[in-house]
Amino acid sequence: QSLLTQPPSVSSAPGQKVTISCSGSSSNIGKNFVSWYQQLPGAAPKLLIYDNDKRPSGIPDRFSGSKSGTTVTLGITGLQTGDEAEYFCGAWDSSLGVVVFGGGTTLSVL
Amino acid sequence: EVQLVESGGGLVQPGGSLRLSCATSGFTFNGHYMAWVRQTPGKGLEWVGRVRNRANGYIIDYAASVKGRFTISRDESKDSLYLQLSSVSSEDTAIYYCTRVFKSQYCDHWGRGTLVTVSS
Repeated sequence: QSLLTQPPSVSSAPGQKVTISCSGSSSNIGKNFVSWYQQLPGAAPKLLIYDNDKRPSGIPDRFSGSKSGTTVTLGITGLQTGDEAEYFCGAWDSSLGVVVFGGGTTLSVL
Repeated sequence: EVQLVESGGGLVQPGGSLRLSCATSGFTFNGHYMAWVRQTPGKGLEWVGRVRNRANGYIIDYAASVKGRFTISRDESKDSLYLQLSSVSSEDTAIYYCTRVFKSQYCDHWGRGTLVTVSS
């Protein structure tokens, strides 16, 4: 059971927008910055968002992050079939002294 | 180009040991924290542990699930990271990823992973 809770799956149509939520607690999301990772089929995860809402170089601005309290949200606009992947949130947990991850959300672009 | 290449995975019997290696290139290894993250189909991603850089005393943090059984080390002369697994159980079956750590907690580069299967 992951300490961060994500919906198992979301779906939307090409060109549309989708959001993926991630809920945690006061010891992780509530206190620390959050990241998002994208894992394409058969590949290693890739850092998409860090510090709640910052994008590493090379990540398009179609991807955005936001935080409110103990919940963070990943937004993806202009959906493409290439965005079909598993998305994970992650945050440092101050009580455990490790990064904790969400269980992952599978995005389908139908 | 940053490259992380894991090796050493394979089949190991319950209670056994295994050493994973991660050869790195394309960045200043001694300037970065490094971490191991594992992934299982049922449990998703799990942080195994992190080793700080020289400037921060090479301090190592482990997840509770592996503390006392796994050992992370690094060799600056070889730009390599290691993970020694001991007293393994089926719960340790996973793909193990070597990652470069950015801002203490973000894995900004990942290897392709090496599969460890614990089975008799």
